[in-house]
Amino acid sequence: GAGVSQTPSNKVTEKGKYVELRCDPISGHTALYWYRQSLGQGPEFLIYFQGTGAADDSGLPNDRFFAVRPEGSVSTLKIQRTERGDSAVYLCASSQGQGVNEQFFGPGTRLTVL
Amino acid sequence: AQSVAQPEDQVNVAEGNPLTVKCTYSVSGNPYLFWYVQYPNRGLQFLLKYITGDNLVKGSYGFEAEFNKSQTSFHLKKPSALVSDSALYFCAVSHDNYGQNFVFGPGTRLSVLP
Repeated sequence: GAGVSQTPSNKVTEKGKYVELRCDPISGHTALYWYRQSLGQGPEFLIYFQGTGAADDSGLPNDRFFAVRPEGSVSTLKIQRTERGDSAVYLCASSQGQGVNEQFFGPGTRLTVL
Repeated sequence: AQSVAQPEDQVNVAEGNPLTVKCTYSVSGNPYLFWYVQYPNRGLQFLLKYITGDNLVKGSYGFEAEFNKSQTSFHLKKPSALVSDSALYFCAVSHDNYGQNFVFGPGTRLSVLP
């Protein structure tokens, strides 16, 4: 079956612009995660959804970052007033149920802020 | 706060030799431990996990890991390395009091030399 997909694969924007990154999880997976991965580092947790609600958004770095999952499937990560430090690969993952299950990762969106 | 350390940035091993990729963790509750692998231009892939039970966990592609509570370690091992095992390996931890907020280590690059 289809895995986790993310669009776009690459996004180049200018400082101060608004961007949206989309994640389409595996069908039936109720849990969805966003991570940010900078070069040479491990993924950094941003936010976790269980269904439509953000169960843990403690990793969002500031109020410029926001994520939604209105129907419990597709999720959008939104970044306002982008800064050069936001440049990274943004990863999405999904998993089944509410237990501590393995996560299935998408290929990521590489965001470059000029 | 929870944290993960992977003390080696790079591990080199000859094909056919056993390999070990080290991981130590720090959590305030019972740990949930994971290993993921990242191949070039591909998303992270789940290898194995420890939740509870037997300290030796077997996973995909012949990998295994041993949970050692006294040393707070979860080293990844394989008896005989393949050139195709060359990739970036990440250890991750969460714990039962903190839900789904996973912390990833910085990664260890494994190079298996023919």
